[in-house]
Amino acid sequence: GAVVSQHPSWVICKSGTSVKIECRSLDFQATTMFWYRQFPKQSLMLMATSNEGSKATYEQGVEKDKFLINHASLTLSTLTVTSAHPEDSSFYICSAPASGAENYGYTFGSGTRLTVV
Amino acid sequence: AQKVTQAQTEISVVEKEDVTLDCVYETRDTTYYLFWYKQPPSGELVFLIRRNSFDEQNEISGRYSWNFQKSTSSFNFTITASQVVDSAVYFCALDVASGTYKYIFGTGTRLKVLA
Repeated sequence: GAVVSQHPSWVICKSGTSVKIECRSLDFQATTMFWYRQFPKQSLMLMATSNEGSKATYEQGVEKDKFLINHASLTLSTLTVTSAHPEDSSFYICSAPASGAENYGYTFGSGTRLTVV
Repeated sequence: AQKVTQAQTEISVVEKEDVTLDCVYETRDTTYYLFWYKQPPSGELVFLIRRNSFDEQNEISGRYSWNFQKSTSSFNFTITASQVVDSAVYFCALDVASGTYKYIFGTGTRLKVLA
């Protein structure tokens, strides 16, 4: 089945630095990638939708200048948390649509746990 | 507006007890998909089930069963004879428009199964 690979699994960074998270579709082309954020003990909230070759669409309240999304190819989308602060510490997870009924619902990345110190 | 409500924030049961996790959803779409995911402490989302709005048949998979009732907009999940390994956070989710993969998640229910 379709697989989305997400890296890194966890990262600790200093306040003020930037962190890049990658999501790759391994055996299918992902023209769209959804990025979710999950604060501790809370639900997953959609942050933005990236589209290959065009600008990402951000949900209300998400700062596009802080969370830079690039979807430069059909198999790679990246989320860069710029000038990270402790309040950005969260679990970030991506998801991509893949064709085939057997893939529907499966194609989430394994998540990235970001801790900003 | 689309919404998924999981009223139970946390449930604790003793091993071998049955437990039901509730999920109530709201959508104006007539065609939609509902999902249940398990999130263990490691964080990844483990797919449990997908159900489309036209299929109200209940489903059983081993110790897991799901009861989908459109009349009450509910999609409840029952674990029979719970085990410690079932301890996790469980999310119910709705695809906002059928097949888009763009999910609205409920707030999750943390299940603790005590030995």
